[in-house]
Amino acid sequence: NAGVTQTPKFQVLKTGQSMTLQCAQDMNHNSMYWYRQDPGMGLRLIYYSASEGTTDKGEVPNGYNVSRLNKREFSLRLESAAPSQTSVYFCASSEASWENEKLFFGSGTQLSVL
Amino acid sequence: AQKVTQAQTEISVVEKEDVTLDCVYETRDTTYYLFWYKQPPSGELVFLIRRNSFDEQNEISGRYSWNFQKSTSSFNFTITASQVVDSAVYFCALGANTGNQFYFGTGTSLTVIP
Repeated sequence: NAGVTQTPKFQVLKTGQSMTLQCAQDMNHNSMYWYRQDPGMGLRLIYYSASEGTTDKGEVPNGYNVSRLNKREFSLRLESAAPSQTSVYFCASSEASWENEKLFFGSGTQLSVL
Repeated sequence: AQKVTQAQTEISVVEKEDVTLDCVYETRDTTYYLFWYKQPPSGELVFLIRRNSFDEQNEISGRYSWNFQKSTSSFNFTITASQVVDSAVYFCALGANTGNQFYFGTGTSLTVIP
C-alpha cells in the first residue's frame, strides 16, 4: 500500500531558485496538508486543503504556494527559495479535517537552500 | 489559542525501564482530539493514538498506555519495559475544530540504551 507518496526525498537549491514538491495519496482522503519540521520547532503547518478545490493558509505560509490538483494530489511550490526554507517537509492526508481524523504522513523531503 | 507543550526535549532510559512522556495542551474548544505520533530514525511519522475530549478513559495497548486528564489538560504517554526499538521522537498533537488544524508539540526525543 503506497499511502502518501512525496517526491523528491532530497533536494538542494540555490537561493532564488524555484521548485515544486509533489504529494499524492491513494486513500481517497479529502484533506491534505503540508508541514515543515525544524529542530526544536516541531511540525508547523504551511498550507492545507480541507477538500478538493479549497486551500487555506496554515501557521507559516509565507514564501510558499500550493495547488490541490485533484483529490489525490497536493503540491507545494517555492517560488524563490531562501535559506530560511531549509527544512524537512512532510505531506499528510486525512479522511476529513473537520472530524480531526488521524494524519497519514509521507516519508518527507529534506530540502537545503544554499 | 491552541497550543501543545512537550516540556521534555530529550529523555534517555536504560532498556526495560518505564518512561513517561508528558504532554500539556491548551484549547478553548469543548470538542477536541488529542494524538500521539512516533517518528523513528527513519523519519516517517506514525500514528499511535487518537482520543476525543469526551473520553477520559485511560488506554493501554501492549506496552503503551495513555493517561488523559482534562482537569490538568494533560495527555501523557507511558512506555512500560522500554525497548531499543522505542527510540524515536514522539509528538503530541491537538486537533481542534477551530481552524480545522492540528497543533503539534515540539516533540520529545527518547533514547533507549541497551
